[in-house]
Amino acid sequence: SQQGEEDPQALSIQEGENATMNCSYKTSINNLQWYRQNSGRGLVHLILIRSNEREKHSGRLRVTLDTSKKSSSLLITASRAADTASYFCATARYNQGGKLIFGQGTELSVKP
Amino acid sequence: DVKVTQSSRYLVKRTGEKVFLECVQDMDHENMFWYRQDPGLGLRLIYFSYDVKMKEKGDIPEGYSVSREKKERFSLILESASTNQTSMYLCASREQGLAGGLEYFGPGTRLTVT
Repeated sequence: SQQGEEDPQALSIQEGENATMNCSYKTSINNLQWYRQNSGRGLVHLILIRSNEREKHSGRLRVTLDTSKKSSSLLITASRAADTASYFCATARYNQGGKLIFGQGTELSVKP
Repeated sequence: DVKVTQSSRYLVKRTGEKVFLECVQDMDHENMFWYRQDPGLGLRLIYFSYDVKMKEKGDIPEGYSVSREKKERFSLILESASTNQTSMYLCASREQGLAGGLEYFGPGTRLTVT
């Protein structure tokens, strides 16, 4: 099965609300990354958190990492309609040159 | 800003045709990757290259080959296209080696094989 698995698969919220997406993984990692994909486009990286970090912020984004539970969460605060996209977590494989394994993504819909 | 470009946004080919998908990056990155993206399956790694003329198989290399003659260019080749290769193909590049840095993606090529 996929290394990174996102939960929920789909999320629909109103503008201004917070959106939380979760990611679980199975094996040891160098780091965990979150990406965003607008419909039919390429992925854009949002944030990278290393295995020795527990929390990281970037603007309205907050990422946490719990290596004991092999899980991460992405929080988007004060969401906007423009945040509507698919969000993927990706784990860098520890002993395989850091190649990424992507989850299947969470589809976020923010309604104005 | 890093820019990764792919030769086509949309491509329609017939079964049995040889298909070339081109990817170019302008940031002198050593590592380049080809993924395919399918509904319900996420992104799956086809091939990657960590240097010129170097290549390694990813998770689903069957039916594909690659070429990296120059550092900035990484080509994906479908020797004989089949309908099950209809997919979105994404190219990416990355600057770091072993630590697993951020990947920069191209806009994708949506390939349809009829």
